[in-house]
Amino acid sequence: DADVTQTPRNRITKTGKRIMLECSQTKGHDRMYWYRQDPGLGLRLIYYSFDVKDINKGEISDGYSVSRQAQAKFSLSLESAIPNQTALYFCATSDSPGQGAYEQYFGPGTRLTVT
Amino acid sequence: ELKVEQNPLFLSMQEGKNYTIYCNYSTTSDRLYWYRQDPGKSLESLFVLLSNGAVKQEGRLMASLDTKARLSTLHITAAVHDLSATYFCAGWEASNYQLIWGAGTKLIIKP
Repeated sequence: DADVTQTPRNRITKTGKRIMLECSQTKGHDRMYWYRQDPGLGLRLIYYSFDVKDINKGEISDGYSVSRQAQAKFSLSLESAIPNQTALYFCATSDSPGQGAYEQYFGPGTRLTVT
Repeated sequence: ELKVEQNPLFLSMQEGKNYTIYCNYSTTSDRLYWYRQDPGKSLESLFVLLSNGAVKQEGRLMASLDTKARLSTLHITAAVHDLSATYFCAGWEASNYQLIWGAGTKLIIKP
């Protein structure tokens, strides 16, 4: 089984709808991240969490919110989806500095289309 | 604030040729990461370079890090079609424990 899973894998929704993307991990990592990928723009960080009680905004948090329900679960919500939120969304996890190389491990991605 | 710049952003090459992707970064970063992404797929970690002068090799790919020049390179030797992918480098922003990503290099290797 995959270490980092994301649901749904694909989603088409309408402008104004609320949508939640979910991420689960079995790697035992404390740190989790949500990224957005747009063609030619690389990865941009939306939110990150260093543990269940520590959640931080990333570069592009406007229009998004997150919830860290447990060490293994980190959800991303779009409160009122808009077309320019159409993108590929990735969840990632990492160990903590000092515990290892601080690599990030990525889920399979969720392709979101807002019409 | 760390900024990471890759070049080229697009590279089309013939099988059997050698080439290098460059990753420059703006401020001190004592570690550098390389990832591969196939179209529509997730990102896969290739190399983690943790110190100045670090060199790592896996098959036809070799990555190196020069922290004084603020430069990492990903060298492809005798390219094969299966290496076609987008390659990302990322530097480590120590102040907030984040990875800062380059825009990616889309590599197409033609038979």
